[in-house]
Amino acid sequence: DTAVSQTPKYLVTQMGNDKSIKCEQNLGHDTMYWYKQDSKKFLKIMFSYNNKELIINETVPNRFSPKSPDKAHLNLHINSLELGDSAVYFCASSQDGTGRDTQYFGPGTRLTVL
Amino acid sequence: DAKTTQPPSMDCAEGRAANLPCNHSTISGNEYVYWYRQIHSQGPQYIIHGLKNNETNEMASLIITEDRKSSTLILPHATLRDTAVYYCIVKTGANNLFFGTGTRLTVIP
Repeated sequence: DTAVSQTPKYLVTQMGNDKSIKCEQNLGHDTMYWYKQDSKKFLKIMFSYNNKELIINETVPNRFSPKSPDKAHLNLHINSLELGDSAVYFCASSQDGTGRDTQYFGPGTRLTVL
Repeated sequence: DAKTTQPPSMDCAEGRAANLPCNHSTISGNEYVYWYRQIHSQGPQYIIHGLKNNETNEMASLIITEDRKSSTLILPHATLRDTAVYYCIVKTGANNLFFGTGTRLTVIP
């Protein structure tokens, strides 16, 4: 069974559209994260959620909004997509988010904005 | 969180030990050293972490110098599947992992 899964794996869309990426973890973890990896391969954190509470927001534009319907899911909604949003987005989870626990990553979603 | 410095790339012969160095001269007393790797087109994968003592698990060994200003990740018998970018990360209790540029390890047949 996949520990952290994301859908879709690939997403191609036009500028200005609104899209969502879903993430689910079956590890029973309390904290989930979203990372963005740009074309230069830098991997940067965007958000983390602990028990439905946002605890990190790394100056990400407000067009990006995480939504957590329950502890096992953290979806990423993106409004008014821009060319610069093209990247690979990774979801991750960890046991308790103390910072000393291991993060488990999903396979990534490659977003292409045309 | 302390910054880390890693060589941009390294090669290793298949079956040999791969030793990946990391400098973290500004590390503070409560910061852990973490290693993750990213195989092409996949999500990062946790390898190992430590604070002061050397650590070993089924994937690798982590050697941390006594002054904690540098560390070495050792893959004892590198295989072709170990070809990846390896990230050394130093962090405290913050949730976010800061991934630098890492070391691109190429295992050569």
